[in-house]
Amino acid sequence: GAVVSQHPSWVICKSGTSVKIECRSLDFQATTMFWYRQFPKQSLMLMATSNEGSKATYEQGVEKDKFLINHASLTLSTLTVTSAHPEDSSFYICSARTGGGGTYEQYFGPGTRLTVT
Amino acid sequence: GENVEQHPSTLSVQEGDSAVIKCTYSDSASNYFPWYKQELGKRPQLIIDIRSNVGEKKDQRIAVTLNKTAKHFSLHITETQPEDSAVYFCAATDGYALNFGKGTSLLVTP
Repeated sequence: GAVVSQHPSWVICKSGTSVKIECRSLDFQATTMFWYRQFPKQSLMLMATSNEGSKATYEQGVEKDKFLINHASLTLSTLTVTSAHPEDSSFYICSARTGGGGTYEQYFGPGTRLTVT
Repeated sequence: GENVEQHPSTLSVQEGDSAVIKCTYSDSASNYFPWYKQELGKRPQLIIDIRSNVGEKKDQRIAVTLNKTAKHFSLHITETQPEDSAVYFCAATDGYALNFGKGTSLLVTP
């Protein structure tokens, strides 16, 4: 149980275009989903937290107009990288949590490797 | 906000030896401390976790200890095997988002 999928697993796009990444909880309802970015040989950096049906909460320094997050249902959250640039190339990982207070464990998706040329 | 420090950044041990990775955290409100193993290009995998009401937890060759007073927790891997080679991340949370350490690249040589 507790499986999280991401699509696509990798994507190459041209500078200036937009890319959408999907994160799905396959066998549970995710009240909260998190989006992380990971540069090579670095740690996971939290970008934003999304709760189903409400606006995402972005971490300091993350441009909300550039990284659009939508959590339209309890099983799906999307991250859209708008007007992508080469510096946006990274490994994007989502995670999902089942409940609210007292529910700590997060289940990670397999990640999406984005390369912007 | 929470700040998690992790040491060492790299660790090389011989097969069969033990490996210890240490983390400190700053926010006394943090009460959940998971450890993740990440292989290159893959998702982080939870290997063990501990809550603030417990001082130690063990799962076969892996153990975690927590000292709430000093705000530090450690991962212990005994009888290391080459397949233990990976990057290990500690994290801390008060139930909101995970705050990760910078990671430890563990290499187990045969």
